[in-house]
Order: sequence, then C-alpha cells, then structure tokens
Amino acid sequence: GQQLNQSPQSMFIQEGEDVSMNCTSSSIFNTWLWYKQDPGEGPVLLIALYKAGELTSNGRLTAQFGITRKDSFLNISASIPSDVGIYFCAGQPSYAGNNRKLIWGLGTSLAVNP
Amino acid sequence: ETGVTQSPTHLIKTRGQQVTLRCSSQSGHNTVSWYQQALGQGPQFIFQYYREEENGRGNFPPRFSGLQFPNYSSELNVNALELDDSALYLCASRSRGRAGADEQFFGPGTRLTVL
Repeated sequence: GQQLNQSPQSMFIQEGEDVSMNCTSSSIFNTWLWYKQDPGEGPVLLIALYKAGELTSNGRLTAQFGITRKDSFLNISASIPSDVGIYFCAGQPSYAGNNRKLIWGLGTSLAVNP
Repeated sequence: ETGVTQSPTHLIKTRGQQVTLRCSSQSGHNTVSWYQQALGQGPQFIFQYYREEENGRGNFPPRFSGLQFPNYSSELNVNALELDDSALYLCASRSRGRAGADEQFFGPGTRLTVL
C-alpha cells in the first residue's frame, strides 16, 4: 500500500540539540498526524494538523502542515533523554473520502546521548 | 476518560491455529481500526469498523476478519495462522463525525508470535 516518505530514517543526537524530521507525499493530504512510539507500546498522538500552513506546538514539539498539502515537518527543541523513540507521521489523503484510512511513514528512530 | 485497551498483551500460537484479539475503544469513540505492525515497520492498516460494519479494508486476505459490538468494542480474528502473521497488532479508536475525527488513539497492542 501507499506509504509516506519520512526522513531521516534515524538520528543520533546529543542531549540539548534540536531535531527536525519531515514527511512528504505525492498526493494531497487533508490531515497530518505525528505520533511517538516507545518499544512494545502503541503509538501516542503528539500533534494533529488540519489546515495548510498550520503551525502547532505541544511543549517542545512544533509541527507544520505544508502549504502544498503534500508535506509536514516535526521539530523537537532542546532534546532530552526521554525523547528517545520512533516518531511516525501519518496522514489522511484527500482521495480517501469517508474511508479516512491513515497512510503512515516508516518512522524516524531518535536516539539521544545524555 | 478511559483509553483504548487491548487483550491479551502477548500470545503465542502455532501455524494453522486461529486467534482472536480484543479491543475496547476509548469512551465516546465510535470507530475502531486495526493495524499490523511488523518489527521495524510502520503500522499497516487491516480494516476499520463503524456502526458494527466493516468500513474500509487494507491489503489483507479474508482470513483476517473482525467484528464491532454495540458498545463499539471490537475483535480481530485471524484464521490459519502463518509465520509472517507474527507482529504487534494495534487497535485504534476515533470519533467519526466530530471535530478531530482523524485523530486516532491507540491501545498498547497485542504481541502475537506464531511458531
């Protein structure tokens, strides 16, 4: 099935650094969601975006819905050890209609060195 | 507000067996989706249930089937288990028809191992 292009695949950073990751698609999306997943757990919703150009923050996290509606990015400022995990983007494509099936990226694995 | 719960947390089966996984949706949510997540991969959509009917299906064979009950809880059934069915099975609920309807909330998952 379709997947979003999520990059980078993995990141290894020092505590206190800022992090940026993004997702792109060849199709127009109505919704972008960013999730974090810890090992053996279900994904936890971090930020939801519904309008092109929308910029939303959740604590140290900031995400934006791209103007073209084909991309989104997630920034984490001043990273801390508990930010470690896999970050997934997911989107609701405009062609899905009432199905509202989410399309997922393959994830960005984040490691933080204390 | 009660979150999404799933049972069991872990399960070991052998090839050819059948399995039933259960999910209780978050209170106030009327739509349940099931996902399969292989190790190192993103979640793959299996199907979605709304008002007790399947309302969208991913690229999974018919031996993957489901049910949704009047209280919006749901089951995922997998027949004739294969080794490749070993994965984390995630249930997600959302509230269709309300603001934020695309925001899916996930349970902790059921880890299925097929030997």
